[in-house]
Amino acid sequence: AQSVAQPEDQVNVAEGNPLTVKCTYSVSGNPYLFWYVQYPNRGLQFLLKYITGDNLVKGSYGFEAEFNKSQTSFHLKKPSALVSDSALYFCAVRDPTTSGTYKYIFGTGTRLKVLA
Amino acid sequence: GAVVSQHPSWVICKSGTSVKIECRSLDFQATTMFWYRQFPKQSLMLMATSNEGSKATYEQGVEKDKFLINHASLTLSTLTVTSAHPEDSSFYICSARDGGRPRDTEAFFGQGTRLTVV
Repeated sequence: AQSVAQPEDQVNVAEGNPLTVKCTYSVSGNPYLFWYVQYPNRGLQFLLKYITGDNLVKGSYGFEAEFNKSQTSFHLKKPSALVSDSALYFCAVRDPTTSGTYKYIFGTGTRLKVLA
Repeated sequence: GAVVSQHPSWVICKSGTSVKIECRSLDFQATTMFWYRQFPKQSLMLMATSNEGSKATYEQGVEKDKFLINHASLTLSTLTVTSAHPEDSSFYICSARDGGRPRDTEAFFGQGTRLTVV
């Protein structure tokens, strides 16, 4: 079955330090991979995506993610964390072979807390 | 960019009544819309997928008679929670796909609606 795993419920990092939020997936073929961020009582905001090409993708607010096909991972990274980055982060995959559905499978989310 | 507006942001209703949540795409035609439910500190659970002009496709375990979804136009989808009960209290989020963009375009999400049934 298709699935997305975010092994960490919460990640704490000091402001200015690099951050990593982990994501692994189990989807056959070549899925599309996404990261979204959610602030309290808000919808999801798109950060970045991997479709094909360069394994390192850059997104909004200085975030980037590295696609690793052999490890089926798509970890989110940022070189220097800000307190304002504190939020809930979701990894998601979409199987492009399921034509017409465009369904997303979301991970359970990782709460990032950046400490001043 | 593409904007999805969800209304209301929050609603309190009495048990047994129905409540309607609207999801609008403001600057694009949403050929497909999705409705999610999010429990506290949990991920998003897809409830149903709706294509404009056709019946919604519900995920397994979602009661279609309780969660009525209408996608009558390319810019509006509604979710009606009928005969609401306290266990229906949750955060509901819609998302939409812009049919005019490439297939690999990300989905756009509404702000969410906090439903509290008392």
